[in-house]
Amino acid sequence: KNEVEQSPQNLTAQEGEFITINCSYSVGISALHWLQQHPGGGIVSLFMLSSGKKKHGRLIATINIQEKHSSLHITASHPRDSAVYICAVSSMDSNYQLIWGAGTKLIIKP
Amino acid sequence: EPEVTQTPSHQVTQMGQEVILRCVPISNHLYFYWYRQILGQKVEFLVSFYNNEISEKSEIFDDQFSVERPDGSNFTLKIRSTKLEDSAMYFCASSEERVGTDTQYFGPGTRLTVL
Repeated sequence: KNEVEQSPQNLTAQEGEFITINCSYSVGISALHWLQQHPGGGIVSLFMLSSGKKKHGRLIATINIQEKHSSLHITASHPRDSAVYICAVSSMDSNYQLIWGAGTKLIIKP
Repeated sequence: EPEVTQTPSHQVTQMGQEVILRCVPISNHLYFYWYRQILGQKVEFLVSFYNNEISEKSEIFDDQFSVERPDGSNFTLKIRSTKLEDSAMYFCASSEERVGTDTQYFGPGTRLTVL
């Protein structure tokens, strides 16, 4: 069983649309990370959160600890947002090392 | 802005050979990590390193692998006797505080191809 599940696996949307990517996890966590992986392979950390909500530019991340669920939202999406978005959790079960989701491949069409 | 760097960007080797992947973490960071991503698969944790010793390692990180911080700036991953299944992207990361309490900064990766 995957400890971190993301949905959808793939998402194609038109420029300007509001995007939501979901992450559910089954372990106790100390923090949840959202990361972005570009087509070239590079990984960038977007958010680390353990409660509530964080916002950076057009990106918003929320987490519900009771429901073990997090969402990443992109407002006014743009083709340059096209990337793989990955959820990873830091869990006591793994001695806090990151457990990674499979990622959501997002394509924004102009 | 400080960044993690990795060399080489692409390494091609013959099965059975040893490879060393190099990383220069951000200078004031104390925690270092190696991850692996086989093509089309999830990123997987390999090892974390703090205070000149391994602090955590995964099941993947067996005797074939070793890490070292040979000087004040480099952090290396050595893979002995490479196998075809070692072909993957290897990412180095660093953080100021320990994982779970701080953001990790990733290098651009080294693509390892074992023939």
